[in-house]
Amino acid sequence: DTEVTQTPKHLVMGMTNKKSLKCEQHMGHRAMYWYKQKAKKPPELMFVYSYEKLSINESVPSRFSPECPNSSLLNLHLHALQPEDSALYLCASSRETSGYSYNEQFFGPGTRLTVL
Amino acid sequence: GNSVTQMEGPVTLSEEAFLTINCTYTATGYPSLFWYVQYPGEGLQLLLKATKADDKGSNKGFEATYRKETTSFHLEKGSVQVSDSAVYFCALSEAGNMLTFGGGTRLMVKP
Repeated sequence: DTEVTQTPKHLVMGMTNKKSLKCEQHMGHRAMYWYKQKAKKPPELMFVYSYEKLSINESVPSRFSPECPNSSLLNLHLHALQPEDSALYLCASSRETSGYSYNEQFFGPGTRLTVL
Repeated sequence: GNSVTQMEGPVTLSEEAFLTINCTYTATGYPSLFWYVQYPGEGLQLLLKATKADDKGSNKGFEATYRKETTSFHLEKGSVQVSDSAVYFCALSEAGNMLTFGGGTRLMVKP
């Protein structure tokens, strides 16, 4: 199983709502990533979890709150978002983040978020 | 810091035409290089990779050669199909497994 799943596929929310994005992998990977992708742009790294601990936060606003409940699951909690936060949110996982050689990142299909 | 520059699109080709998408990079060390593909409505898939100079990555008829002297990793395919229509991202990775992406190139193949 080389699949990363993300739910929901689409999400529309108001600026006062609280919602969560979910990501799951069963490949035994110990690194998981959240990316934000705006239209016609490359993905931008937001957070990295390594062995269920937050290792990288790319200066993301606190209205985005990641959580890694276990090694297979990654959540992104959303609160008080702005319309400019509308984007495709991609989750990825890899064996780990360290090591001599690159560990391939496997991407999920993404959640398309619209903030009204 | 590291950076990746790839040709702006869209690139529009007829089916069976030859494809080249240029990619050049700037890195402080010896990065690994990648091409990722994103089909409409999907996430990114690793298309091919090369980890050292003169390596050639290949997959599904696509090829790219790691050229250290020109700091390039151009993507080529001899005969494109309509199903190859997608956005292609060149990327590099150094320490820590983090990816630096180019801006992406949209390929449109017409029957």
